[in-house]
Amino acid sequence: EAGVVQSPRYKIIEKKQPVAFWCNPISGHNTLYWYLQNLGQGPELLIRYENEEAVDDSQLPKDRFSAERLKGVDSTLKIQPAELGDSAVYLCASTATPQPVGNEQFFGPGTRLTVL
Amino acid sequence: AQSVTQLDSQVPVFEEAPVELRCNYSSSVSVYLFWYVQYPNQGLQLLLKYLSGSTLVKGINGFEAEFNKSQTSFHLRKPSVHISDTAEYFCAVSENNAGNMLTFGGGTRLMVKP
Repeated sequence: EAGVVQSPRYKIIEKKQPVAFWCNPISGHNTLYWYLQNLGQGPELLIRYENEEAVDDSQLPKDRFSAERLKGVDSTLKIQPAELGDSAVYLCASTATPQPVGNEQFFGPGTRLTVL
Repeated sequence: AQSVTQLDSQVPVFEEAPVELRCNYSSSVSVYLFWYVQYPNQGLQLLLKYLSGSTLVKGINGFEAEFNKSQTSFHLRKPSVHISDTAEYFCAVSENNAGNMLTFGGGTRLMVKP
């Protein structure tokens, strides 16, 4: 079974440029998460999807960040325009259902973004 | 809201020695607890989790953790580490009324030396 797929693995851009990250969750997983992981820190949730609906986006900086999951499968996270402080690893995770609680989240390898 | 504190940012240890990585949490409701491992340039992988029942939980790669409700701790242990255990370890908590929402600690870098 294929795991969570993310692309690109690495991205280097100049500040003020746009950037997009793509995630394909494990087949059949209807819950998808985007996390931000700063260097030396734990992941922080940006947004959670149940199928195509964003059910928790309270931590997503909506002035420059956007996300979509149009068909309830793969998802795209966008930053426009990027700032120096956005340099981090962006992780995508998925899980089969929101219930029962305690379901394992499966993580992709992440996209490492460097903003110059 | 819940929070997780990993008391040690780095833990150096010699190969075949025992190790304990500490994790404390705070929450006003019952919680579920997790340990994830992250190898360089990879995503997080679940080591073990506590949902209910026995407070001693065994996971993959010989790791185990003990849930202590009175001390709000969930420390991770391994009796004998290998070079291959060198990685970043994250403790995470999920409140039982919050679906599968995870709050992570800051991580502990385990460095196993030969």
